[in-house]
Amino acid sequence: SSELTQDPAVSVALGQTVRITCQGDSLRSYHATWYQQKPGQAPVLVIYGTNNRPSGIPDRFSGSSSGNTASLTITGAQAEDEADYYCDSRDSNDDPLIFGGGTKLFVL
Amino acid sequence: DVQLVESGGGLVQPGGSLRLSCAASGFTFSSYWMHWVRQAPGKGLVWVSRINVDGSSTIYADSVKGRFTTSRDNAKNTLYLQMNSLKVEDTAVYYCARDPYGLDLWGRGALVTVSS
Repeated sequence: SSELTQDPAVSVALGQTVRITCQGDSLRSYHATWYQQKPGQAPVLVIYGTNNRPSGIPDRFSGSSSGNTASLTITGAQAEDEADYYCDSRDSNDDPLIFGGGTKLFVL
Repeated sequence: DVQLVESGGGLVQPGGSLRLSCAASGFTFSSYWMHWVRQAPGKGLVWVSRINVDGSSTIYADSVKGRFTTSRDNAKNTLYLQMNSLKVEDTAVYYCARDPYGLDLWGRGALVTVSS
């Protein structure tokens, strides 16, 4: 199965827009999913099916995909968005799930 | 409340065994695929295993294949992870998670420490 690559860390000024990316061959044919994890807490699903938000997730979170790259965009980043963000994908339902290495987001 | 609660973690010596449980409540457990995901201290998420709705199909990460076994008891709304031949590198917080379209519900995790 393929790998998913994320930048280790990204920073954004409070209120500005930030894009977190995830690259991998599986993303050409399978949706990306995004999770937010704060210290000492379990991950939380923020985007599924590339660009769908679960209920309760603020609409400043959005997703997109092009070619082998999926992106999570936070429009108007808030202090509470500072966290680790992970993407996942898979080649098919019968294949192992793959996580990216995670991106630590700093909100300055 | 809709929740998953892991239990059974602890300290075990290398080569030992441990069984984790994940109790589901507040939803129809038997309708969902379930996963185990682990996270070593200070590290990222690593997928471990997946089981389908009736337990007839399981898949594992290469790192645990042949040592770990995932099962479920839908009558008890419980997911299990039997871990044998444990290695130091298996030390991690183990999460169970529900999968309708992505892992939309996670437990709080169970810490497994493998050390002599």
